[in-house]
Amino acid sequence: GDSVTQMEGPVTLSEEAFLTINCTYTATGYPSLFWYVQYPGEGLQLLLKATKADDKGSNKGFEATYRKETTSFHLEKGSVQVSDSAVYFCASFEAAGNKLTFGGGTRVLVKP
Amino acid sequence: DVKVTQSSRYLVKRTGEKVFLECVQDMDHENMFWYRQDPGLGLRLIYFSYDVKMKEKGDIPEGYSVSREKKERFSLILESASTNQTSMYLCASSPDRPRGTDTQYFGPGTRLTVL
Repeated sequence: GDSVTQMEGPVTLSEEAFLTINCTYTATGYPSLFWYVQYPGEGLQLLLKATKADDKGSNKGFEATYRKETTSFHLEKGSVQVSDSAVYFCASFEAAGNKLTFGGGTRVLVKP
Repeated sequence: DVKVTQSSRYLVKRTGEKVFLECVQDMDHENMFWYRQDPGLGLRLIYFSYDVKMKEKGDIPEGYSVSREKKERFSLILESASTNQTSMYLCASSPDRPRGTDTQYFGPGTRLTVL
């Protein structure tokens, strides 16, 4: 079945550092890809998404590009803030499976 | 704004008790989902529903059941709670464009502890 693998955390950074969280997926077709973020004590919120190859999703300074050739959707931010401390989930949706498949989540801690 | 609410943020129950987790969404979404979230495992789908009185099993339905009597409300039921059901439970909803491809909107979660 479909699966999503993302780097394990926690990832600890200083403010203004560059953040990358790796995400790769396996799928039989061409899934839509998502990054969700969970701030402390809250539910998940959609951060960005891409629905086809070479699409770039972006929001709040975060970006991720759908790379079909490497089956990846890595999340990046050029300069993180303390307020970016959260757990980040990569997810894929393939119509044949008809459900979202989540990665294990990556906790990011940004220190001032 | 879409709002998904869950009946409790924290819940403590004893082994063998029957537990009801309630979820309500206010955006007339057709699709509703129940997940559990465990460290290192991400979110795993328990059950989902595409319409009133309709339900489908997700990846880990054992030990759970659901009820959807009204469009806005989706209940998760633990018939006889066990300690391995201690977890964070998240409800989500999405509109009825091609099923599931659109954004899912999540509630704040219910952290359930079974003693």
